[in-house]
Amino acid sequence: GIQVEQSPPDLILQEGANSTLRCNFSDSVNNLQWFHQNPWGQLINLFYIPSGTKQNGRLSATTVATERYSLLYISSSQTTDSGVYFCAVERASGSRLTFGEGTQLTVNP
Amino acid sequence: GAVVSQHPSRVICKSGTSVKIECRSLDFQATTMFWYRQFPKQSLMLMATSNEGSKATYEQGVEKDKFLINHASLTLSTLTVTSAHPEDSSFYICSAPRLGFLWTDTQYFGPGTRLTVL
Repeated sequence: GIQVEQSPPDLILQEGANSTLRCNFSDSVNNLQWFHQNPWGQLINLFYIPSGTKQNGRLSATTVATERYSLLYISSSQTTDSGVYFCAVERASGSRLTFGEGTQLTVNP
Repeated sequence: GAVVSQHPSRVICKSGTSVKIECRSLDFQATTMFWYRQFPKQSLMLMATSNEGSKATYEQGVEKDKFLINHASLTLSTLTVTSAHPEDSSFYICSAPRLGFLWTDTQYFGPGTRLTVL
């Protein structure tokens, strides 16, 4: 099956800092999504981004499908950004998502 | 926006009992839903694919007789953990893909159910 690798596994920042999270995948995909899992376990959709670049406030994401990686940028980080960020990919429309191991982000005040 | 709900959010039960978890898509229909399990400090692992009107498809190593899935309608899938044991304690999350909405095939996740088996 497809492999998804995320880096770094852990990241500690001071409030206000910027960060980049990376997701590598081993095969072509139909869909790539970034999620933020909050402390209560809810997965929050951040981006649906099989290719190209999108921005939403302080967050942006870029997927280079031909090179099989995606990046999530967090600017001016806030303590509320803390949590686990997951990248997940889908081989075909409406099929299962395969998750990476996640990046645990801690933003200190 | 699209919303997927789960009920209950938290359940504590005695070993040997059965627990039913419901997953509903609230504003769209889903012929397929997915059930994941997440252990502490780990990623989500797919357990099974729930198909409306047909049998569920289970991932390797997941006991179909222990984790019963019923997808009775286009908005409801249920997962029943039968004869639960402490090792079944975990966070169970469902998802549903909303195909073609806003030109995407985004999958939406429920808030999860935390199961503790004593």
